[in-house]
Amino acid sequence: DAGVIQSPRHEVTEMGQEVTLRCKPISGHNSLFWYRQTMMRGLELLIYFNNNVPIDDSGMPEDRFSAKMPNASFSTLKIQPSEPRDSAVYFCASSIRTGLYGYTFGSGTRLTVV
Amino acid sequence: DQQVKQNSPSLSVQEGRISILNCDYTNSMFDYFLWYKKYPAEGPTFLISISSIKDKNEDGRFTVFLNKSAKHLSLHIVPSQPGDSAVYFCAASGVQGAQKLVFGQGTRLTINP
Repeated sequence: DAGVIQSPRHEVTEMGQEVTLRCKPISGHNSLFWYRQTMMRGLELLIYFNNNVPIDDSGMPEDRFSAKMPNASFSTLKIQPSEPRDSAVYFCASSIRTGLYGYTFGSGTRLTVV
Repeated sequence: DQQVKQNSPSLSVQEGRISILNCDYTNSMFDYFLWYKKYPAEGPTFLISISSIKDKNEDGRFTVFLNKSAKHLSLHIVPSQPGDSAVYFCAASGVQGAQKLVFGQGTRLTINP
């Protein structure tokens, strides 16, 4: 079990550019979550999918952010255009049943927009 | 609307003593409460959890206490070890069957030798 795999680990981009973050969940997990960690807001949920269907995207900050899950083994989070305030660590996580077991996080993507 | 709050950004404890991390929540509909531990440059990892129908759960050096009337939970680590130095997040889930976890802001625990 390779765990939740995120790529890239680090991304530095210029303001206005498109950024795509990628996530491969654990095989067999049917829920996938995108979180953002900042000093000010801690860990905030952006969006989550259940069986590849978006269930709750109320945390997506604005229309510049979009997420897709075309199949059970892949998801993307896209920011277009990127802004310096988007700089943060973005985590992907997956679970089979959250409850008492929570979910497994990836190692995160550190995004810096200059 | 911060439904889960950790009011102490940091805590420093001597090795061998007890570490107590605290968390408050506002939504009485949460079914499950969890603690995660996070090291730098890594994702959070699950530590211990408790159901809302219990008031205590123990796993080795880690014990979580839940006080539903006060909407408060705490994590006790006894004895504290240097490897426990990390950021600890409390989280809650289960409102109306929702799978998402709502996290607190985190508390940075430092264990001093």
